[in-house]
Amino acid sequence: DTEVTQTPKHLVMGMTNKKSLKCEQHMGHRAMYWYKQKAKKPPELMFVYSYEKLSINESVPSRFSPECPNSSLLNLHLHALQPEDSALYLCASSQQTRSSTDTQYFGPGTRLTVL
Amino acid sequence: AQKVTQAQTEISVVEKEDVTLDCVYETRDTTYYLFWYKQPPSGELVFLIRRNSFDEQNEISGRYSWNFQKSTSSFNFTITASQVVDSAVYFCALSEPSMDSNYQLIWGAGTKLIIKP
Repeated sequence: DTEVTQTPKHLVMGMTNKKSLKCEQHMGHRAMYWYKQKAKKPPELMFVYSYEKLSINESVPSRFSPECPNSSLLNLHLHALQPEDSALYLCASSQQTRSSTDTQYFGPGTRLTVL
Repeated sequence: AQKVTQAQTEISVVEKEDVTLDCVYETRDTTYYLFWYKQPPSGELVFLIRRNSFDEQNEISGRYSWNFQKSTSSFNFTITASQVVDSAVYFCALSEPSMDSNYQLIWGAGTKLIIKP
């Protein structure tokens, strides 16, 4: 069983909708990540939270807004998305270090379709 | 520059055959880490192994084994007696503990493995 959970599993939304993706980890990790993955491509890093503070924003458009309410939870708020934003959104977590050498553990992902 | 190359886009074998997935990397650092992840059709990325650059011992875990060769900058993955459940996309990734690459994993393009019954 994965210790990183994500909801919903699937999401279909219109370009004017507002929705949120949720992620929760139960491993006591202090770093959490959002990735976007298009079909037949590797994941692309979007955001990193370290100790509930945003550490990295990989030039992601403002229509994606991350939030980390506590060390176990990570949200991604979506607003005015475009059809090209349709993808698999993956959440991951790792023990807190300042480098990427820690193992990242991924959730099952949310398949997002923007109409 | 950092780079990970998985030259095999897709491999198809019959169940019970052995199969090797290749991973070649480029890095400037002497200290680095290599990873393999499995992504079945369900979408979840499953961690398989993490190896640091100072540990060149090969590793075996059940039907899975990894061959780390610093001389050729390769970190290949072999599945012995493949099973249908091994069908997935497999990603190799590299990281360096430098200030420039905090949290960044350099991913290969992935190899899609199809195991036919």
